[in-house]
Amino acid sequence: KAGVTQTPRYLIKTRGQQVTLSCSPISGHRSVSWYQQTPGQGLQFLFEYFSETQRNKGNFPGRFSGRQFSNSRSEMNVSTLELGDSALYLCASSLELAGGRYEQYFGPGTRLTVT
Amino acid sequence: AQSVAQPEDQVNVAEGNPLTVKCTYSVSGNPYLFWYVQYPNRGLQFLLKYITGDNLVKGSYGFEAEFNKSQTSFHLKKPSALVSDSALYFCAVPGGATNKLIFGTGTLLAVQP
Repeated sequence: KAGVTQTPRYLIKTRGQQVTLSCSPISGHRSVSWYQQTPGQGLQFLFEYFSETQRNKGNFPGRFSGRQFSNSRSEMNVSTLELGDSALYLCASSLELAGGRYEQYFGPGTRLTVT
Repeated sequence: AQSVAQPEDQVNVAEGNPLTVKCTYSVSGNPYLFWYVQYPNRGLQFLLKYITGDNLVKGSYGFEAEFNKSQTSFHLKKPSALVSDSALYFCAVPGGATNKLIFGTGTLLAVQP
């Protein structure tokens, strides 16, 4: 099976602009989670989508949003970019196991640089 | 709240020597724990998980992890380190919501030839 794919891999934007990142999960996985990774804050959960619905949300401002399509592909959008949004954005596709357990498989990430 | 801690920012080991990367956890209920590895400019790769059962869990690339309930630890181990094992290692625990992981701060493993 193909792994999780994320596009684009690298992105440079200017403060105030908006950006859209894309993630395609592993075939058959219905859940997509997004994380932000920065040197200062480490890995932080942004939100999770399942069957086109946002099921969980982390502690990020409303400038961060996402959606999921019927084929399970997901996009996240960041509006009014700030310098502090520079980060590696990781998407994870979840294999759901019995008893509410799951395993997450990550894509290569999108490196966003805001100047 | 669920949490994990990685007390070491960096671990240095010579190639061929055994390695240990430490992780302690604080969870309510039965522990369910993960290890991931991140190579430079790459995403996270799943190494192994502990659900229940044997306290020694075997994973990818020759890694294993030892679960210790009394010490609330889940240390990652490998009998003989390779230079190619040099990477950033994260332990993680489910964060109370479905498909949300809480990660440790990461430990940089440097294996010297």
